[in-house]
Amino acid sequence: QKEVEQNSGPLSVPEGAIASLNCTYSDRGSQSFFWYRQYSGKSPELIMFIYSNGDKEDGRFTAQLNKASQYVSLLIRDSQPSDSATYLCAARGGGSYIPTFGRGTSLIVHP
Amino acid sequence: GAVVSQHPSWVICKSGTSVKIECRSLDFQATTMFWYRQFPKQSLMLMATSNEGSKATYEQGVEKDKFLINHASLTLSTLTVTSAHPEDSSFYICSARSGISYNEQFFGPGTRLTVL
Repeated sequence: QKEVEQNSGPLSVPEGAIASLNCTYSDRGSQSFFWYRQYSGKSPELIMFIYSNGDKEDGRFTAQLNKASQYVSLLIRDSQPSDSATYLCAARGGGSYIPTFGRGTSLIVHP
Repeated sequence: GAVVSQHPSWVICKSGTSVKIECRSLDFQATTMFWYRQFPKQSLMLMATSNEGSKATYEQGVEKDKFLINHASLTLSTLTVTSAHPEDSSFYICSARSGISYNEQFFGPGTRLTVL
């Protein structure tokens, strides 16, 4: 069974710090990985996706992928209180076009 | 960017009634639509996947006779919760994927269902 694991948190960081969110996946055939942000009571919104080993940067966000370790991370630089949300990691591939979602990590950025 | 809408955004109904939720892709054609359910502080749970013009594929444990899904066009999918009960109260979210932007899955704003 395909699994995506995330620490539920909450992860608490001060404003301006770097928040590091981690995710591991069980299916070695997974090819595409996604990070979504979900505010309380709202639906998820895509932050970024990555499918190659290494780093992918988009503004204050950097996704990191290590397929050998089956590990994906999201770094948020200069964290803001508005970044406080639940971050969902998803993996797709291995013969299926349906992504598998993790349970999400709650991030709290305090002023 | 691609926009997915859902209607209604919230609904309160009596136990035993049926509720229909619409999901529309507003500016793209959605070859595939997904229906999720999310209980408070829980992760997204995929209920079913539907492709336009064909029957939905339901996940294990999801009753297809209770959760009727129709994907009649490339821009519209509906989820009908039949004979709703309080345990069906949840946040229902649809998402859509176009045949062009394969890597992106766009979520609707969700529908909060409360069954009394």
